[in-house]
Parts: sequence; structure tokens; C-alpha cells
Amino acid sequence: SQKIEQNSEALNIQEGKTATLTCNYTNYSPAYLQWYRQDPGRGPVFLLLIRENEKEKRKERLKVTFDTTLKQSLFHITASQPADSATYLCAPYNFNKFYFGSGTKLNVKP
Amino acid sequence: GAVVSQHPSRVICKSGTSVKIECRSLDFQATTMFWYRQFPKQSLMLMATSNEGSKATYEQGVEKDKFLINHASLTLSTLTVTSAHPEDSSFYICSALESGTGNQPQHFGDGTRLSIL
Repeated sequence: SQKIEQNSEALNIQEGKTATLTCNYTNYSPAYLQWYRQDPGRGPVFLLLIRENEKEKRKERLKVTFDTTLKQSLFHITASQPADSATYLCAPYNFNKFYFGSGTKLNVKP
Repeated sequence: GAVVSQHPSRVICKSGTSVKIECRSLDFQATTMFWYRQFPKQSLMLMATSNEGSKATYEQGVEKDKFLINHASLTLSTLTVTSAHPEDSSFYICSALESGTGNQPQHFGDGTRLSIL
């Protein structure tokens, strides 16, 4: 069965540094992959989508990479701010469905 | 743009009650909507895929008679938890996939916190 792994431990970084979050998947080949931000008690908010034929995607301070050989996506937040503190979820898409990783909680300290 | 409204945001009711949750795409059409369930500090678990005008597709282990899904229009899907019991207490979230060609993002509602006493 499909498996999606995100680092379950919280990532603590200092304001201004770059945060890098990892998403690994096994047992399938997603056509595209999405990253979301989720705050406590709220629904996920869409951030970026990257297709299988794209290596990298950027949006403002966000960057996503997609390595279909390694079956891995990396999500970077540059110049991080305390307001970036949240849980970040990856969701590969295939067979008309999205499956979510468990998410990584990011804490950006001032 | 791409706003999904989910209602109600919170429900507290007695065991045995049936609860209906609505999911609306406000500014786009959604042929496909998804229903998820999320336990504290866990990921979103896909319950079912709802397609406009057809029967929902349920994930393995999800009781279709327990969780009734109706997707009667391109902007509205409903989830009814029938005869809810305390073990059904959870955070239910819907999402809507923008209709169209190519790869599309899904947009989420803000969830419904269901508490069964």
C-alpha cells in the first residue's frame, strides 16, 4: 500500500533561517504532489503544487523540489518568520486521490 | 478565490443523533469533493471521494451506511453521520477539487469538530 513519510518530530529553527521539510513516499508514482499548511483546529491551506515532470517550483519565500527517482519532495521556507510556525503536510496525488503524510510541525523562534 | 465553506464548524450532540455536515465551493465548480477525518496530532485520513451526480467511493474500512455522502450539485456535498456514537467524535474536513483539465489543487474547508456525548 502507499506510504508517505514526513518527519514526525518538530522542526525548531531560528527566525531568518531556512526551514527544510522532507516528504518521502513509497509504493506508487504520484502524478503531482501538493504541500499544505495547517494551523491548529483549521483546515489545510494550499501552498504549492509540483508536477512529476517539474524539478523545482517557487513561490515567494517557498520552494519545492520533486525527485521522482528518490521518491522524495523537499519543501523550503527561506527567511523564516515566527508566523510560519504551523504543521506542514505533503499530499501526493495518484489514481484520483490524495494521501496525506502525518505532517511536520515547524516552530520558528524569534 | 477558491474558497470552500464547511458548516457547521462545531457540533455537540447526544449519542444516537444523526449529524449532517455541508461542504460548499463558493467561487468555483467542483466535480469532485473529498471527505477526511483527522484525529488529534494525526494526519488526514481519506474517508471517501464524492463525485457530482454519482455514488461516492469509500475507502476501505469506512462504512457507507454510517457515513452517507450526497453530492447533488457542482458546489455542494454533504456528509451525514448516522446514529453517531462517541467513537465517531473527530474532526471532519472536506475539500473540493477545481473542475478542469490538468493537475488541480484541492481546497479545504475549515473542518467540523464533532463531539458525541
